[in-house]
Order: sequence, then structure tokens, then C-alpha cells
Amino acid sequence: KQEVTQIPAALSVPEGENLVLNCSFTDSAIYNLQWFRQDPGKGLTSLLLIQSSQREQTSGRLNASLDKSSGRSTLYIAASQPGDSATYLCAVYNQGGKLIFGQGTELSVKP
Amino acid sequence: GAVVSQHPSRVICKSGTSVKIECRSLDFQATTMFWYRQFPKQSLMLMATSNEGSKATYEQGVEKDKFLINHASLTLSTLTVTSAHPEDSSFYICSADFVRRETQYFGPGTRLLVL
Repeated sequence: KQEVTQIPAALSVPEGENLVLNCSFTDSAIYNLQWFRQDPGKGLTSLLLIQSSQREQTSGRLNASLDKSSGRSTLYIAASQPGDSATYLCAVYNQGGKLIFGQGTELSVKP
Repeated sequence: GAVVSQHPSRVICKSGTSVKIECRSLDFQATTMFWYRQFPKQSLMLMATSNEGSKATYEQGVEKDKFLINHASLTLSTLTVTSAHPEDSSFYICSADFVRRETQYFGPGTRLLVL
């Protein structure tokens, strides 16, 4: 059974810092991995999608990497801003056609 | 990107009543729609997968008679919480995909509070 774990559960940083969020998964047989952002009481916004054959994707200040063999992904946020404060969810699309989510990392960026 | 809407965005109901939540794909036809539940400070848990015109597939531990799913068209799926109880209070999110195993497009969620 696929399990997705995110570390840390919560993170508080001062504005301007670069930071890394971690995601690990137990079954490497995945189609892709996605990082989502969720603001309080809101739905999900897709940030980056990495296909199983890819190693990384970049969008603006965000960079996500994927090491499928070791079951790990990282989301790197450069020059963090208060507007980046949200919960970040990692999810893998497994071969059963389901999206399995991690517990999320709650990020707070202080001005 | 593809847009998925949910209605209502928030609902408060009395214990014992039934509540219907609609999920619509606005600019594409969804092959499959998914229903998730999210409790405070927790992640999304898949409740069921529904395909247009067929019965939904429920995850282990989800009562199909309590959470009725109807997927009448390629753009609409409904979740009905029957005889709601306070423990059903949660954030319900739907999603839809049209390129299997590529990604899912998520609705904005429905906050249900059962008194």
C-alpha cells in the first residue's frame, strides 16, 4: 500500500529565506508526483507535476525534484515571501489510478 | 487550465438531514470524478471514484449507503450525505480528470457543518 510522508509537518521562516520541503513515498511504481498548495479553507492549486521519467520541474521560484528509485521528492522555494504561507501537499499518482496525498507541510513566512 | 466548480461552498444542516453537494467540470468532459474528505489539519482522503453512467467505487471504510454518489453526465457528479451526523462535518473536495493518470483538477471544496 502506497504511503506518502511529508517532513516537516510545520515550518516557520523569515521572509527571504530559501527553504526545502520533503516528501517520501513507499512504492516507486508511480506515474507522476505533484506538489499542491492549499490556503486555509480553500481547494488545491497545482504547483508542479513531475512525470515518473523526469527528475525535476521548475516554475518561477519553485523547483521540484524527483528521485523515484529512492522514493523521494523535494520542493525548493527560493526567496520566500509572506504570500507563500500555505499548506503544501505532495501527492503521487499510483498505478491504481489514484492520487495518494501526504499529510502536508504548513509553511509560515514571517515578514 | 481546466475548471471544476462545487456547490454549495458552505452548508450547515441539522443532524439527521441529507445534504447534496454538486461537482461540475466547466470546460471539459471528465472521464472520472473523485470525492475526497479532509478533516482539520489532515490530508485529503479519497472516499470514492465515479465514472459517468456506472456505480461509484468506494474506498475501504467508506459507507456507500451513507455517501451516495451519482455521476449522471460527463460534467456533473453529486455526493449526497444521508442522515448526516456531527462526525460527518468536514471539508469535501471533488476532482476530475480527462487525461487518465496525468493529473486531477480540483474543485474549491464544500465545508459541511452538521449541528
